[in-house]
Amino acid sequence: GAGVSQSPRYKVTKRGQDVALRCDPISGHVSLYWYRQALGQGPEFLTYFNYEAQQDKSGLPNDRFSAERPEGSISTLTIQRTEQRDSAMYRCASSPGGEQFFGPGTRLTVL
Amino acid sequence: AQKITQTQPGMFVQEKEAVTLDCTYDTSDPSYGLFWYKQPSSGEMIFLIYQGSYDQQNATEGRYSLNFQKARKSANLVISASQLGDSAMYFCAMRETPGGGGNKLTFGTGTQLKVEL
Repeated sequence: GAGVSQSPRYKVTKRGQDVALRCDPISGHVSLYWYRQALGQGPEFLTYFNYEAQQDKSGLPNDRFSAERPEGSISTLTIQRTEQRDSAMYRCASSPGGEQFFGPGTRLTVL
Repeated sequence: AQKITQTQPGMFVQEKEAVTLDCTYDTSDPSYGLFWYKQPSSGEMIFLIYQGSYDQQNATEGRYSLNFQKARKSANLVISASQLGDSAMYFCAMRETPGGGGNKLTFGTGTQLKVEL
């Protein structure tokens, strides 16, 4: 069956621009997580949803970062006024309640 | 304090040999879960094995086994009969279940494993 998908796979943007990263979870998975992974590091938690409710956003670095999952399925992570330090791999994972299945990630590069 | 510590930035193993990747964790939560993920050079994150804090037996999945020593707070991954395709970055992760709910994973910094002929 289809796994978690993310789009775009690569995004290059200029500093100051807004970006929207999309995650399409495995059908039926209740929970959806966003992580950020810097080069050579493990993923770091950003935020997560159960259905459409954002349960924990403690990992979002600042108020330029926001996420939504309006219908309890697809989620969008938005970064406003991007900065070079935002450059990283952004990973989404979905879960039926235990194990988390990761998507391929979006590689964001801010010039 | 680091919640997940992986002290081996890089490891080498001969093909067909067994290798142990170390992971120690820190939590005061009595209920938690420990995971290992493999990240090959392609960048995907592949789930390998899971151990719950209340599980009585060590988890096993094919050539992967988790050496869970609760009192020492360690959850080492053992890969038996290494194959060239095992060359990858390996991440240990912990899921805590605080009272408010939530299953976010906290990852270690990873161990880069290289399998040699």
